Amino acid sequence: GENVEQHPSTLSVQEGDSAVIKCTYSDSASNYFPWYKQELGKRPQLIIDIRSNVGEKKDQRIAVTLNKTAKHFSLHITETQPEDSAVYFCAASAGSARQLTFGSGTQLTVLP
Amino acid sequence: DAGITQSPRYKITETGRQVTLMCHQTWSHSYMFWYRQDLGHGLRLIYYSAAADITDKGEVPDGYVVSRSKTENFPLTLESATRSQTSVYFCASSEFETNQPQHFGDGTRLSIL
Repeated sequence: GENVEQHPSTLSVQEGDSAVIKCTYSDSASNYFPWYKQELGKRPQLIIDIRSNVGEKKDQRIAVTLNKTAKHFSLHITETQPEDSAVYFCAASAGSARQLTFGSGTQLTVLP
Repeated sequence: DAGITQSPRYKITETGRQVTLMCHQTWSHSYMFWYRQDLGHGLRLIYYSAAADITDKGEVPDGYVVSRSKTENFPLTLESATRSQTSVYFCASSEFETNQPQHFGDGTRLSIL
């Protein structure tokens, strides 16, 4: 089955700096890659997703890049703010199965 | 948002007891999912359902039972709870089309003593 590895497990940045979280996946059939943000005690919430026919997608301060050849994808957050502090999860899915396999999460702390 | 609701939000029970966690969605999504979240493991899929009366195992199905008699409901039952099933349980749903995001409920924090 699919295996998703996520790094780093913790990340601290100064407010205004950029943060990058990286994930690798094992199943070459995977073609959908969402990112979720989870604040303490809350539900995971989708922040951005990318499909395999696209190499990069941006939404304001958030971007995701995908390298299908290398089987890795990354989340980039620019101009970080304290409210970006949360746990971020990557996930991968071979679309026909609909199942998501999640990475183990990255605790991002933005220091004021 | 209120499209998917889970109940109860918190539950404490004892080993050996049966407990059912409820999940209800108002979007008429075809797919529904149950995950458990434990420190160090992220979110792991327990069971999922493609439609009413169609369910399938995920990564960690042992000790759990699901049913889906109606599209909007997807209850998860622990038939004989064990301490290792202490966790936070999330229900999610998604549309029928491929490569669609999953939307999560608020979760149920379950403690088994």
